[in-house]
Parts: sequence; structure tokens; C-alpha cells
Amino acid sequence: QKEVEQDPGPLSVPEGAIVSLNCTYSNSAFQYFMWYRQYSRKGPELLMYTYSSGNKEDGRFTAQVDKSSKYISLFIRDSQPSDSATYLCAMRRGSNYKLTFGKGTLLTVNP
Amino acid sequence: EAEVAQSPRYKITEKSQAVAFWCDPISGHATLYWYRQILGQGPELLVQFQDESVVDDSQLPKDRFSAERLKGVDSTLKIQPAELGDSAMYLCASSLAVGAVIAYEQYFGPGTRLTVT
Repeated sequence: QKEVEQDPGPLSVPEGAIVSLNCTYSNSAFQYFMWYRQYSRKGPELLMYTYSSGNKEDGRFTAQVDKSSKYISLFIRDSQPSDSATYLCAMRRGSNYKLTFGKGTLLTVNP
Repeated sequence: EAEVAQSPRYKITEKSQAVAFWCDPISGHATLYWYRQILGQGPELLVQFQDESVVDDSQLPKDRFSAERLKGVDSTLKIQPAELGDSAMYLCASSLAVGAVIAYEQYFGPGTRLTVT
């Protein structure tokens, strides 16, 4: 079993839809949880960062972490065609530990 | 806006040849990472530098891969000889470090897409 599991999709939604992206993990030592967005032929860019359990909101994006279930989510409200990209979850044990990424979910938002 | 620079952006090579990739991190970022991203997968760490020192190369295939960051600034990743399975995107990232604490945010470059034929 991989440490981080993420459904690769692809996921296709109409513009304006609410999108839910999820990852599960097996290592209970993970404390830092991140979501990266990667456009085609580009490097990943950090979208959201959460420490431990809870919710964090930034504009149309909300990140949730449930450590008891080892489950993290990213919600995108009012999705736009410009949100079309691969979304990667990533996590690590501590500030000086390496990042472990999920496979990424390919999202397409159709106008 | 400061960015991580990588070159070349694309590289096609025949198996058994040598290839090298270059990365220039954001100025002032002491921590530098090389990742390999196979199509349809997330990035996997190959090597992490703190200044010029390697702090993690546990996933680097050392029989064919080497990495250096001689002056603690830019870095080179080399593969010799290249194999068909090395076809992937090679990403460089950098982070700010304050003393022993590495900032959580990693800034990624655009990557080098390697195709081995």
C-alpha cells in the first residue's frame, strides 16, 4: 500500500460546479498537508497548506484535514475553466522531512 | 517575481548516453530538491541539498545518477548511462531555510522533460 492514495480521475465538471478532491494516507506521523496545482508542462505550485487537523479557506478554495480518518480534501467553489489542471496532494512528517505526493487528479472544467 | 530556473526544458537522448540537467534556485534559498515525476504519477524526491551538502539521497539510483551543488547555489543532476525507464519530468524546487528550520513552501521550476529512446 502506498503511503498516500489519490484517485487520478480524470474528473470533468461544468463551469460553476463545486469540485471535491481527496487523498487518503496511511502514515499517522504526517502533520503537514498541502495541495499543489500543476498545469500541463509546468512545475507544481502550492495552493493550500494546513498543519494538523481542521479547515482552511482561501477564496474559492477550502482545504480540510481529518487526521482521525487519515483523509484530506480540497474543495473548489464556483469552478472556472482556468482551474483545469492536475491537483496533487502532498504531506510530510515535520518541517525538515521530505514531501510525499499523491498521484494527482486531472481536473477539467468545461465552459 | 523570483523563479526557479531549469534547463534544458526538453531533452531527447538515446539509451546509454549521458545527460545533465541544470537548476538555479531562487536567490537566497538554501534548500534545493531534485524530483522525478513519471507521467501520471506525483513527484518523487531524488535528492535534497542544504547549501552544498546532501541531506537526503536515499531514493537516488547512485549507480547511474549523480547530483552536485558545488557552491551551494545552482545544481546539476546527471544520468550516465540513461535507460529507457528514466524517461520522465525532472523537477527542481527550492525552499528558504532559517537556521535548521526549512520553510514548508517549495517553489518548483518548470522541469526538464527527458525522453530516452
